[in-house]
Amino acid sequence: AQTVTQSQPEMSVQEAETVTLSCTYDTSENNYYLFWYKQPPSRQMILVIRQEAYKQQNATENRFSVNFQKAAKSFSLKISDSQLGDTAMYFCAFMKHSGGGADGLTFGKGTHLIIQP
Amino acid sequence: DTEVTQTPKHLVMGMTNKKSLKCEQHMGHRAMYWYKQKAKKPPELMFVYSYEKLSINESVPSRFSPECPNSSLLNLHLHALQPEDSALYLCASSPTGLAGTGELFFGEGSRLTVL
Repeated sequence: AQTVTQSQPEMSVQEAETVTLSCTYDTSENNYYLFWYKQPPSRQMILVIRQEAYKQQNATENRFSVNFQKAAKSFSLKISDSQLGDTAMYFCAFMKHSGGGADGLTFGKGTHLIIQP
Repeated sequence: DTEVTQTPKHLVMGMTNKKSLKCEQHMGHRAMYWYKQKAKKPPELMFVYSYEKLSINESVPSRFSPECPNSSLLNLHLHALQPEDSALYLCASSPTGLAGTGELFFGEGSRLTVL
């Protein structure tokens, strides 16, 4: 079984600052995906960024980037130039690669990120 | 169309009622999921359907009965629920096979209150 740990229940930063959200995971799988999902108060879960475990290069999506350390089983999210609209719950999630089938996401407990004006 | 549509958005039911939650997607995804989310908690996986067949049941009580009538539809039938079943129920879908990226596409959820 996989576990995902987010050790920061809540974080608050000023608009335009850079913030890093931490995530560690534990698995015996070698082939898997890692994700950061955002859930604003409107409640729809939206994918922020995705990383495939076999890729050494860290994923980036505009202001969002990850620091993926496979040996350390660490997967942190960096948000640059934070904006008010970034205020949300952020969930780190794991999915094992099921070879064409379907498997569920295992979520961390989440980090509530608040961007202050 | 990149949406997962869930209906109803809100549902209030008594413990003796029978109701259903509905989920629909037209992205051609062959995997569909039900998650339960309590306030300020992460989503918890309930069921996974792959190619219209139930592939994962996370030991969910039988008062929750999933159904996948076709590749675009997913239902969750509710019967004799308890107040502690009140939660946000999220549906998701994902591509499979060579198109699979692992990404799940979520609906907005159905907020269920059991009285």
